[in-house]
Amino acid sequence: AQSVTQLGSHVSVSEGALVLLRCNYSSSVPPYLFWYVQYPNQGLQLLLKYTSAATLVKGINGFEAEFKKSETSFHLTKPSAHMRDAAEYFCAVRSLGGSYIPTFGRGTSLIVHP
Amino acid sequence: DTEVTQTPKHLVMGMTNKKSLKCEQHMGHRAMYWYKQKAKKPPELMFVYSYEKLSINESVPSRFSPECPNSSLLNLHLHALQPEDSALYLCASSQGSGTPVAEAFFGQGTRLTVV
Repeated sequence: AQSVTQLGSHVSVSEGALVLLRCNYSSSVPPYLFWYVQYPNQGLQLLLKYTSAATLVKGINGFEAEFKKSETSFHLTKPSAHMRDAAEYFCAVRSLGGSYIPTFGRGTSLIVHP
Repeated sequence: DTEVTQTPKHLVMGMTNKKSLKCEQHMGHRAMYWYKQKAKKPPELMFVYSYEKLSINESVPSRFSPECPNSSLLNLHLHALQPEDSALYLCASSQGSGTPVAEAFFGQGTRLTVV
């Protein structure tokens, strides 16, 4: 069965610091991986997705993620945090041959300090 | 147009009321979803419609009744809800089951409060 694990329910950084949000996947077949962001009282917005075309994926708002098969990871990074990046971030997975329904991680709340 | 539109944005209802949540998309997507989300939790899948047919019902109580009148619309009918049903209800859509690479697009949600 496909699943993702997000390490750390909260990540706290200072404005301008590196952002690193961790996601590890468990899938018996090649996965398709997604990162979503959710601002307070809003829906989920896609940040980026991995579809096997390239291991380093660039998304919106300066975020990127690298697919590492050897580590079964798809961590989300941003070189310099902004206050507006404070939000909830969800990693999600779909697998070819498995359910087409996206399976979400538990989420990581990003807190940005001035 | 890459939007999923949900109405209303906020809803307060009593436990004896009947209300409906509405969702619309015009991206030609053939899979549509209802999720329930509690604060600080990931979305929980409730229902999936694929090509206008209910394909997944995640053991949701019968007081929630989904409907898909056509390929662009998805409704969630609510009746005799409980206070614990208060949550953010999210609608999403994506290309059909044969395209797992495609992402799901989410609406802004309906914030439901049951009093």
